[in-house]
Amino acid sequence: DAKTTQPPSMDCAEGRAANLPCNHSTISGNEYVYWYRQIHSQGPQYIIHGLKNNETNEMASLIITEDRKSSTLILPHATLRDTAVYYCIVRVAASFQKLVFGTGTRLLVSP
Amino acid sequence: ETGVTQSPTHLIKTRGQQVTLRCSSQSGHNTVSWYQQALGQGPQFIFQYYREEENGRGNFPPRFSGLQFPNYSSELNVNALELDDSALYLCASSLGGLANEKLFFGSGTQLSVL
Repeated sequence: DAKTTQPPSMDCAEGRAANLPCNHSTISGNEYVYWYRQIHSQGPQYIIHGLKNNETNEMASLIITEDRKSSTLILPHATLRDTAVYYCIVRVAASFQKLVFGTGTRLLVSP
Repeated sequence: ETGVTQSPTHLIKTRGQQVTLRCSSQSGHNTVSWYQQALGQGPQFIFQYYREEENGRGNFPPRFSGLQFPNYSSELNVNALELDDSALYLCASSLGGLANEKLFFGSGTQLSVL
């Protein structure tokens, strides 16, 4: 699985959009980009994933650059409950469910 | 809430002892995987069970072993505990056999080895 690089921490004001970047310059053509988050004292929570097209669901939007070397997770209106560690993961689609987590980005949403 | 439950929530053991951690997967999920999360780090994959068979393993020694039962619940066993085994142990379940599945994680068991 390709490696990812994320900033260690970011701040965001409540109600504003949070844009979390991820670099995955060695991504292969068959690797997907996944985002999970981990709120304190809980297990990781799936947010969204994509291959090459932009994706949106009820939680967030995922923007993947055309060359697929980087992506951005967008939380459109951050709330205090979005304070968490966000993990960007790339992996091949398979029934084998191993995820390789890095250290992620710690997002702090403030009033 | 994901429907994945783990027990116990906290556990204290002494070096050299053995421990068993338990996980009930989300209803309908036949695949369970276990992760170890040291303080300040991301989770690390230990192994995965699919239909009662281990079908993938991370870089963990044999003293980490597991079981999956016919109802798809699972156990993680760690023998000869070491101080470095102190961590949050996470269980995740998924439907199994499908590409691009989401993993649903429990809240974990916090293990302290003294």
